[in-house]
Order: sequence, then C-alpha cells, then structure tokens
Amino acid sequence: DIQMTQSPSSVSASVGDRVTITCRASQGISSWLAWYQQKPGKAPKLLIYAASSLQSGVPSRFSGSGSGTDFTLTISSLQPEDFATYYCQQANSFPYSFGQGTKLEIK
Amino acid sequence: QVQLQESGPGLVKPSETLSLTCTVSGDSISSSFWSWIRQPPGKGLEWIGYIYYSGSTNHNPSLKSRVTISVDTSKNQFSLKLNSVTAADTAVYYCARVVTIFGVIRPYGFDMWGQGTMVTVSS
Repeated sequence: DIQMTQSPSSVSASVGDRVTITCRASQGISSWLAWYQQKPGKAPKLLIYAASSLQSGVPSRFSGSGSGTDFTLTISSLQPEDFATYYCQQANSFPYSFGQGTKLEIK
Repeated sequence: QVQLQESGPGLVKPSETLSLTCTVSGDSISSSFWSWIRQPPGKGLEWIGYIYYSGSTNHNPSLKSRVTISVDTSKNQFSLKLNSVTAADTAVYYCARVVTIFGVIRPYGFDMWGQGTMVTVSS
C-alpha cells in the first residue's frame, strides 16, 4: 500500500500570506494526486486533481504541483475562508490513501 | 445538482453489524463508481471501498473481510455493511462519488461527498 505523508502537520499564517503544504508518497504515483479542504463538521471538498488541475469553482489562488513522489499545494494569498484542514490523496492505485492532514490556522 | 445523503443508525453495539445507506440524487447511480470513506473523531480519512452499478466492488484490505458494499439501482442507492465492529470503527462515515468517465474510474479522486454520518460503537 502507498503511504502519504504531509508536512507540516499544522501551520499558522495571516490573511494575505502565501502558504505551501507538502505531500510525499512512499512510492511513485505519477501525477495522480488530489487535494481536499475540510472545514470543521463538513465533508472534504475537492480542490485539485491530477496534481495540478483546479476543480471547477475553486478559486485560482489555489494551485498544485509535483509528480512522482513529491507534491505541493500552494495558496497564493490566504483569505479568511481558507483556514481549514487540507488533505492529500493518492489516486494512482487501490487502496486509495490519504495524508494525515495539515491544519491551517490563523496567526 | 448532485447530492449524496447517508442514513443509518448512529449507535451500534460491539460485535454487531454497522449498516449505512447512501441515497444519490441529481445523478444516476449507473453513471459512476461510488465509495465509502470514514474519519475517526479528530483523525484523518480512510478509504473503505467502492462499488459500480454492475456490482463490481473493491475494498480496503485493512478492513479484512468485514466489508460488504452493495447497490440498489432501482432506488439510486448504495450501501455499506461492516460486521464485527469494535470501538475502533467509531467514525464519521461519508459516501462519495469517484470521478468516472465513460464507465472507467479516472484517477482524479472524489468529486462529490455526502455530509457524513457519525456512527458510535458502544454498548
């Protein structure tokens, strides 16, 4: 099975900051990586698929990059509604697996 | 628009069977693959398994053979049964749509989710 490791586990930032979250796969997954945003008490929301493709309706301040084993999610200018927990997920092979999450908090 | 809604008991006794149903509206259940995903309180996400309208399934080996996923196309629903539950199965259970194009799973993740339902395993 493929293990997904995110870093950092939590990060504090201010509105307007640029934030980058990293996800590493235990083996190569090509570009088959998705990113999700989850707010408390809500279901995850798909932000990015295929490592860098923006899901319909997601603001362009979100971007993703990477391939193979190393991936990043970048939020270019944090907005108040972006404070949430972010998960990566490999979609290369079953069983699908998620990272442990990165909690983005207000500084 | 597409909506998914989980339903089922919120409390299950240890060693018994957890049973949940996901009702899909705004989309035909025959159009996509459908999954169950769970999240223990304060923890991360775990993929449980998927099903296609044909009955084809796949599940996470970590759950051994405790999982059964079924589909009812006449009701546009799919269901999860997890037997021999323990406290470790306490979680929010989500149903979700797997991105599917022309009947083939695309490696793009889960694009629609239900709101989730909390299931507690306790006597």
